[in-house]
Amino acid sequence: GENVEQHPSTLSVQEGDSAVIKCTYSDSASNYFPWYKQELGKRPQLIIDIRSNVGEKKDQRIAVTLNKTAKHFSLHITETQPEDSAVYFCAASRDSSYKLIFGSGTRLLVRP
Amino acid sequence: KAGVTQTPRYLIKTRGQQVTLSCSPISGHRSVSWYQQTPGQGLQFLFEYFSETQRNKGNFPGRFSGRQFSNSRSEMNVSTLELGDSALYLCASSLFGGNQPQHFGDGTRLSIL
Repeated sequence: GENVEQHPSTLSVQEGDSAVIKCTYSDSASNYFPWYKQELGKRPQLIIDIRSNVGEKKDQRIAVTLNKTAKHFSLHITETQPEDSAVYFCAASRDSSYKLIFGSGTRLLVRP
Repeated sequence: KAGVTQTPRYLIKTRGQQVTLSCSPISGHRSVSWYQQTPGQGLQFLFEYFSETQRNKGNFPGRFSGRQFSNSRSEMNVSTLELGDSALYLCASSLFGGNQPQHFGDGTRLSIL
C-alpha cells in the first residue's frame, strides 16, 4: 500500500548548524512532495514542495531534494534558528489520488 | 486573503453522540480535504471534495462522512462517537485538488469523554 517513512523522529541541532530530514515513499507513481511545518498548537504550514520533474528546489535557507530512482526525498535547513523548532512532516501524492500521504513527523529542536 | 476557517475550534462530546465540523476554504479554492491528526497515527486522510463530489476517501469507518456545498464550504460528520475519535481534525483547501498546494486550517480539537 501507499506509505511514507520519515526519519529521524527527533532531531536536535545547535543554532547555526544544518538539519536534514529524510523521507522514503512506496508508491512509484507519486509525483508531488510537499513539506509542512507545524508549531505547537498551530496549523501545519506548507514551507516548500517539489514535483517529480525537478531534482532540487531552494527557498532561502530551505531546500528539498528528490531521488526518484531511490524513491526518497529530503528537507535541508541551513543556518538553523530557534524559530525553526517545530514538527516537520513530509508528504507524497500522485495524480488523481486527491490525497496526501504523510510521514510520521520529525520533531526538530534548535538549541540557542 | 482570509485563510482556511474551521469551526468550532474545540468540542467536547460523549460516546455515542454525533458531531458536525465545518470548514470554509480560502476564497476561490474549490477542493477541500479532511485529515485526522493523532499522536499515535499522525496525519491520516479522511476524504476530499471538489464541486460537491467526493473524489477520494480514506480508510475510516462509515461513521465518518462529509459533504461539500455549492460555495465550496464543507462539513464532516462523525456519528456514534467512540473514545478513539478524539483527535485534531484538520481541513485543507486548494484550488483544484490533486497535486496542488494544500493550505490547512487551525483544526477542530474533538475530545470524547
